[in-house]
Amino acid sequence: ETGVTQTPRHLVMGMTNKKSLKCEQHLGHNAMYWYKQSAKKPLELMFVYSLEERVENNSVPSRFSPECPNSSHLFLHLHTLQPEDSALYLCASSQAGWHEQYFGPGTRLTVT
Amino acid sequence: GQQLNQSPQSMFIQEGEDVSMNCTSSSIFNTWLWYKQDPGEGPVLLIALYKAGELTSNGRLTAQFGITRKDSFLNISASIPSDVGIYFCAGQIRGSTLGRLYFGRGTQLTVWP
Repeated sequence: ETGVTQTPRHLVMGMTNKKSLKCEQHLGHNAMYWYKQSAKKPLELMFVYSLEERVENNSVPSRFSPECPNSSHLFLHLHTLQPEDSALYLCASSQAGWHEQYFGPGTRLTVT
Repeated sequence: GQQLNQSPQSMFIQEGEDVSMNCTSSSIFNTWLWYKQDPGEGPVLLIALYKAGELTSNGRLTAQFGITRKDSFLNISASIPSDVGIYFCAGQIRGSTLGRLYFGRGTQLTVWP
């Protein structure tokens, strides 16, 4: 595997379900990011982990819970989501403090 | 928060034509990046710019870091059908320490054969 991978690529879940999104980077980076991409909106930064420490949480509702067990893996745990949470969730990685971020293919999430 | 104004929102062009799009901000940026996103995929980094006035090419793509440090431009020459997609500008504000990027809303490019 190369670059940044995300699983699953598509996810449909009910509002009462609990699921997790997984991201893995194979680039030797030490910072990882979660973004939300909705139609007609700019990319929204959700969380930033730098050197495995969460350094930014952009007022994201608590129904989204990130986890970064090591510098190569990032998870986004989901529970009790709302239909407006349906979007493309993108993971990215970079060297800490460096500007060039490399994105995964995203997980298309649909909340029913 | 910081907003980037990217224009145009969409472009419909004939194969072989040249394309220009730009991005402006109200803050001074120390980095400008241009990404392309294909349907169902994540953004792919095309060009990175780090100095005011810098002009960088990647094949048929050329991007420039504006002299004012508040804008950037992307040009695509001799467009082909596979250029179709959404192009995003992104930038980092001067003084930002976490590598935080701000993104434009994207330019949707359609190329007719």
